[in-house]
Amino acid sequence: AQTVTQSQPEMSVQEAETVTLSCTYDTSESDYYLFWYKQPPSRQMILVIRQEAYKQQNATENRFSVNFQKAAKSFSLKISDSQLGDAAMYFCAYRQTEFSGGYQKVTFGIGTKLQVIP
Amino acid sequence: DTGVSQNPRHKITKRGQNVTFRCDPISEHNRLYWYRQTLGQGPEFLTYFQNEAQLEKSRLLSDRFSAERPKGSFSTLEIQRTEQGDSAMYLCASSFTNPGQGKEQYFGPGTRLTVT
Repeated sequence: AQTVTQSQPEMSVQEAETVTLSCTYDTSESDYYLFWYKQPPSRQMILVIRQEAYKQQNATENRFSVNFQKAAKSFSLKISDSQLGDAAMYFCAYRQTEFSGGYQKVTFGIGTKLQVIP
Repeated sequence: DTGVSQNPRHKITKRGQNVTFRCDPISEHNRLYWYRQTLGQGPEFLTYFQNEAQLEKSRLLSDRFSAERPKGSFSTLEIQRTEQGDSAMYLCASSFTNPGQGKEQYFGPGTRLTVT
């Protein structure tokens, strides 16, 4: 079974600085999707960034980028120029592809709470 | 596109009562998912529909839980004989099937259930 591990329950960063959130996962599949979701307090979960395992290039979305290390099964999120609005729970997540049995469930880690200090 | 909506947003019920939640997915999405999120945890998969067919159920979904998606549009999640352990946030998500579309699931705001 796939598992996702986030070993940092809480992180803090000064506004305008850079922070990296860690995530490791376990799977026997060679192709899959990895995601980082953001869940602000009392607000709904939104997708921050997506990585497809067959792509070697790390995904980037504006101030958000990932460091995808497939062999190490590591998928960290880097937030540059942190803003107050980045404060939230961040969940790392995994999903199999359509061709891996069609399973659609997303497996989430337990989350990292990010605090942004003004 | 108004996003995924869920009703009610909050529900307080007494132990032993039945509750029903509703999810309206993004209109073009034919896949719909239910997750449960307890305090301090990430969401856990409960079940998923493709159109009106319920194709996968987690072992977390005991026989007190039932989900439906009539006509492949909105979905309901019913919990019978609620227990205090059912207190959680129930999240709904939806996604596309078509190749080339985004693979991500779009989440609703959730229904927070409190069983007293």
